Amino acid sequence: GAGVSQSPRYKVAKRGQDVALRCDPISGHVSLFWYQQALGQGPEFLTYFQNEAQLDKSGLPSDRFFAERPEGSVSTLKIQRTQQEDSAVYLCASSLGDRGRGNTIYFGEGSWLTVV
Amino acid sequence: SQQGEEDPQALSIQEGENATMNCSYKTSINNLQWYRQNSGRGLVHLILIRSNEREKHSGRLRVTLDTSKKSSSLLITASRAADTASYFCATVVSNTGKLIFGQGTTLQVKP
Repeated sequence: GAGVSQSPRYKVAKRGQDVALRCDPISGHVSLFWYQQALGQGPEFLTYFQNEAQLDKSGLPSDRFFAERPEGSVSTLKIQRTQQEDSAVYLCASSLGDRGRGNTIYFGEGSWLTVV
Repeated sequence: SQQGEEDPQALSIQEGENATMNCSYKTSINNLQWYRQNSGRGLVHLILIRSNEREKHSGRLRVTLDTSKKSSSLLITASRAADTASYFCATVVSNTGKLIFGQGTTLQVKP
């Protein structure tokens, strides 16, 4: 597609449930990022992929968070045993070049997760 | 945690007026990008300014960058009600490619 596509757009999960959020980056984009945005805050970095390699996962808040991009295109962010503090918008972004340096980074509409 | 700070946190102006938002950051950067986010929507890229540039224009937008002061400003001229949104600056930290966001400025343009 023309832009970064994320699904589902909205997800309500019961506490303790596992969730999986999908990101389809712009075709041909090498770099893929996941961000978490709490209400009223700026996005916070979670993890970065260059093709299929996860080069930076320093922002993942706990070992309940796991991301993969096995074929270097579509990525999935998985959250196990969700907690209420996981409620946020999860934003995926991609850029054409390596590590986004000097490249515009394009964001999807986000997946809105509410844990009840 | 975020490295940028934006000022003001909230701004309310009348249609036709100019809006200026400021952003400060802490580490060395490759470039700085400004984004707009409408309520409930994703981030829309507005403009990118590289670390060796001082000023850039795009339509009604003017961005400046002062690397000696580690600061940037976004000016929206002749504002419209449709400009109502949150505006974020984001820096690409050198050698990491990581995009670090500020807290954002919420702009309200009254018709």
